[in-house]
Amino acid sequence: KAGVTQTPRYLIKTRGQQVTLSCSPISGHRSVSWYQQTPGQGLQFLFEYFSETQRNKGNFPGRFSGRQFSNSRSEMNVSTLELGDSALYLCASSLGQGDNQPQHFGDGTRLSIL
Amino acid sequence: KQEVTQIPAALSVPEGENLVLNCSFTDSAIYNLQWFRQDPGKGLTSLLLIQSSQREQTSGRLNASLDKSSGRSTLYIAASQPGDSATYLCAPRPQGTDKLIFGTGTRLQVFP
Repeated sequence: KAGVTQTPRYLIKTRGQQVTLSCSPISGHRSVSWYQQTPGQGLQFLFEYFSETQRNKGNFPGRFSGRQFSNSRSEMNVSTLELGDSALYLCASSLGQGDNQPQHFGDGTRLSIL
Repeated sequence: KQEVTQIPAALSVPEGENLVLNCSFTDSAIYNLQWFRQDPGKGLTSLLLIQSSQREQTSGRLNASLDKSSGRSTLYIAASQPGDSATYLCAPRPQGTDKLIFGTGTRLQVFP
């Protein structure tokens, strides 16, 4: 059974550009969450999607957005990139709300802003 | 607002020792708590999930306990090995959400 797949693994952008990251959850999983990991702030929750609906959003500016498709795949977009957006972006999937199944993480996308 | 603290922040031990990693959280209204390990430059690997109604969960050399009322969880690693070297993170899941709140982690180094 394939795990959570995130693409691309590495990305280099410059300030002001925008970027789209992709996450394919484990087959059958309907919930996808996104996290940002930085050395200073640790792991911080960005947003959570279930059945194409955003259910929770973390404390990030509107430049961070996401969506989920009918096949549960998810994308997140960051516009007008800033140096502080350099981070490891992690995606996690689980079966969905009301379950006690663990969340499974991908290997992340490392985004570097020059 | 849920806050999660992990102690110690770093630990360096010789191979073979039994270890205890501590996690404390401020809000006991959790659905479950998950322990992860993270190797450098990698994503998170789920180790154990302990439900709010459970007291402990075991997998191989790992044992996690949960005292929800006091806001504490511990991860016990028996007979540590160099391959256990990684950062260990605990993450309670607040009720009604799939969101996890992460601690700052314990960086473990086991030397031969």
